[in-house]
Amino acid sequence: NAGVTQTPKFQVLKTGQSMTLQCAQDMNHNSMYWYRQDPGMGLRLIYYSASEGTTDKGEVPNGYNVSRLNKREFSLRLESAAPSQTSVYFCASSESAGVLSYTFGSGTRLTVV
Amino acid sequence: GNSVTQMEGPVTLSEEAFLTINCTYTATGYPSLFWYVQYPGEGLQLLLKATKADDKGSNKGFEATYRKETTSFHLEKGSVQVSDSAVYFCALRGNAGNNRKLIWGLGTSLAVNP
Repeated sequence: NAGVTQTPKFQVLKTGQSMTLQCAQDMNHNSMYWYRQDPGMGLRLIYYSASEGTTDKGEVPNGYNVSRLNKREFSLRLESAAPSQTSVYFCASSESAGVLSYTFGSGTRLTVV
Repeated sequence: GNSVTQMEGPVTLSEEAFLTINCTYTATGYPSLFWYVQYPGEGLQLLLKATKADDKGSNKGFEATYRKETTSFHLEKGSVQVSDSAVYFCALRGNAGNNRKLIWGLGTSLAVNP
């Protein structure tokens, strides 16, 4: 099925470890986004990529880096994980930054101990 | 800046009950408004949207009307089903510059009992 695929679905890290969350979309969308979802905080934008070759910070970029590898793939890296980064991470895409609706992946549940 | 406020949950209803989830917003100009739904263990899905005042978005029996005079976009359904149990998010997107990013409400959890 066409859509946004995130891997892994679950991950447990120790404090200080690094990891990369992968996201790929097969809808030929130009724009991609990384969100984190925390209880009582709703969805917060970490980074986004309006088009291939560009990335920009969102509301909560500290502690993260991103790479727009090509039009399909947008990865999120935690260089030195902290317990405060325990969250559910969602990748999303849209046809362009100006398009109204997003398609979301099913999420990665990350626990940092 | 732009903001969205939606009613706190959880909301618990019996099957076939009437549902209202309130959403109000603050924005300059004429934003677009959305309701997204998140079923357990899944990502968010667009449920419905409205792009101008007095527009009514509808899908799967859900409706919401863009009311500029009350800055509201309340979600309604006449008869809920157990399968409607999910978290519902109201969102807004402005129409100029940095205001074009999606702004999200905190979500309202709905549980429908048989």
